[in-house]
Amino acid sequence: KAGVTQTPRYLIKTRGQQVTLSCSPISGHRSVSWYQQTPGQGLQFLFEYFSETQRNKGNFPGRFSGRQFSNSRSEMNVSTLELGDSALYLCASSLGTPRGNEQFFGPGTRLTVL
Amino acid sequence: AQSVTQLGSHVSVSEGALVLLRCNYSSSVPPYLFWYVQYPNQGLQLLLKYTTGATLVKGINGFEAEFKKSETSFHLTKPSAHMSDAAEYFCAVSGNTGNQFYFGTGTSLTVIP
Repeated sequence: KAGVTQTPRYLIKTRGQQVTLSCSPISGHRSVSWYQQTPGQGLQFLFEYFSETQRNKGNFPGRFSGRQFSNSRSEMNVSTLELGDSALYLCASSLGTPRGNEQFFGPGTRLTVL
Repeated sequence: AQSVTQLGSHVSVSEGALVLLRCNYSSSVPPYLFWYVQYPNQGLQLLLKYTTGATLVKGINGFEAEFKKSETSFHLTKPSAHMSDAAEYFCAVSGNTGNQFYFGTGTSLTVIP
């Protein structure tokens, strides 16, 4: 099976712009989670989508949003970018049920905000 | 609520020495626990997981972890470190709903030749 893919791998944006990141999960996986990874804050959970519905949400401002399509592919959008949004954004997929399935991570999208 | 604490943000061991990375968890429900490894500029790779059953869990690359409920711990060990083990290691616990994971802050492992 192909692994989790994320596009693009690298992005450079300027403050105030918006960005959309894409994640294709492993075939058959219905859950997609997004994480932000920074040196200072570690891995922080953004949100999880399961069968096109947001099932869990972390403590991030409304500028961070996501969606999931019927084929389980997911996108994450960040509007009005700030310097502090520079990070590695990781997507992870899993079967989603029952509780406790391992998550499989993509390689990440490294976002740099100038 | 669920959380994990990784003691020691940086650990250095000599090649061939024992690797011990510490993880303590807090969970309001029976915990599902995971160890992941991250190499530079890559995503996270699952090393091993504990859900139910045997408390000593064996993973890839010679790593293992023991679930100790009385100590709320899930420490990661490897008998003999290799240079290729140098990476960042994350402990995680599954949330009680959905598929949200709570990660520790990570431990950077350095292997000294």
